[in-house]
Amino acid sequence: GQNIDQPTEMTATEGAIVQINCTYQTSGFNGLFWYQQHAGEAPTFLSYNVLDGLEEKGRFSSFLSRSKGYSYLLLKELQMKDSASYLCAASDSNYQLIWGAGTKLIIKP
Amino acid sequence: NAGVTQTPKFRVLKTGQSMTLLCAQDMNHEYMYWYRQDPGMGLRLIHYSVGEGTTAKGEVPDGYNVSRLNKREFSLRLESAAPSQTSVYFCASSYSGGGADTQYFGPGTRLTVL
Repeated sequence: GQNIDQPTEMTATEGAIVQINCTYQTSGFNGLFWYQQHAGEAPTFLSYNVLDGLEEKGRFSSFLSRSKGYSYLLLKELQMKDSASYLCAASDSNYQLIWGAGTKLIIKP
Repeated sequence: NAGVTQTPKFRVLKTGQSMTLLCAQDMNHEYMYWYRQDPGMGLRLIHYSVGEGTTAKGEVPDGYNVSRLNKREFSLRLESAAPSQTSVYFCASSYSGGGADTQYFGPGTRLTVL
């Protein structure tokens, strides 16, 4: 079957760095997405990886290892506004997205 | 640009009642999707459309009907609501296939079925 695993909840301190992991098992693979979702709001796109390696966008970076079925989202210099859920989604052989349940990130002062 | 809009934002139904959720996008996207989001679960695809006049079933289509009214609008209808359909419903759109392109989401409809 197809499956995405990510931690349910993580806590970090303002100004620190946090890494949110995601492992996936899909029938075929056409890339991995990360979305951010603030409570009560819609998901918004953060990053897309299709090749192995690290993609950096400001304070956020995303890493992919296709051979290990593994990705992580790295958030640096955490701010209170980063408190949100982070959704991992893998694209399968039919270009359908398989979504993880999301990781709720709590930032403490 | 408004992006993706959804109506209504909130709704309470009684079991057996019907309703239609409306979604519109102004980004000239071909692909549109309806998802539901439940606590502790990932987004689940209900139905989607790859272009005007087309619809296809997603992961959890039972109990829902959709219509791609035109390029901008995609509706989701619950003919006879059940408590299991209590959820947050999101509409999304993308220029090309959602597995290879960014999806843009509407603000969601929070539906409670009593």
